[in-house]
Amino acid sequence: SQTIHQWPATLVQPVGSPLSLECTVEGTSNPNLYWYRQAAGRGLQLLFYSVGIGQISSEVPQNLSASRPQDRQFILSSKKLLLSDSGFYLCAWGGQGNQPQHFGDGTRLSIL
Amino acid sequence: GENVEQHPSTLSVQEGDSAVIKCTYSDSASNYFPWYKQELGKRPQLIIDIRSNVGEKKDQRIAVTLNKTAKHFSLHITETQPEDSAVYFCAAEGADGLTFGKGTHLIIQP
Repeated sequence: SQTIHQWPATLVQPVGSPLSLECTVEGTSNPNLYWYRQAAGRGLQLLFYSVGIGQISSEVPQNLSASRPQDRQFILSSKKLLLSDSGFYLCAWGGQGNQPQHFGDGTRLSIL
Repeated sequence: GENVEQHPSTLSVQEGDSAVIKCTYSDSASNYFPWYKQELGKRPQLIIDIRSNVGEKKDQRIAVTLNKTAKHFSLHITETQPEDSAVYFCAAEGADGLTFGKGTHLIIQP
């Protein structure tokens, strides 16, 4: 069966520090992959999605970037975090051909 | 692109009563509509979905209805229980992928 792993679960970082969040999927090949951010009490904001290795689409302008170095690996990065980057970051896979997206457990990022 | 509107943003019902959450979408080509439940601090989880060739789908206390002509779909929860308290998201899949509504915070009053 397919599983999705996301880490770390919680992260506290100072303003201006770099960021790297990792997401891996097992049990499926060539999945669509997504990064979402959710501010406290708010909806899901799509940040990036990828349909294949090295293929990244950005939905909103920001100081974050994403990379997909391997088929089942999706990385969210920043060179310099801002206070506004705080939130709950969710990785997801799927969403192809009338199939649902499945979410990882999320990373709660706090910027101090 | 697709635009999904979800109402209400907050819904409070007495335990045992029914809850209804409504969504509208803009892209008439959308043909897949999942619903997610997100408990506090946890990931969204799929609870039910419906495809455009079906008008209604039911799974125990949860049902979803779809009106393609009017471009709206709804989630119905009957005999609500405390564990139904959560944020619920609707979504619609069109040519650009899945678009989510902004969510409904469902509160079950004891």
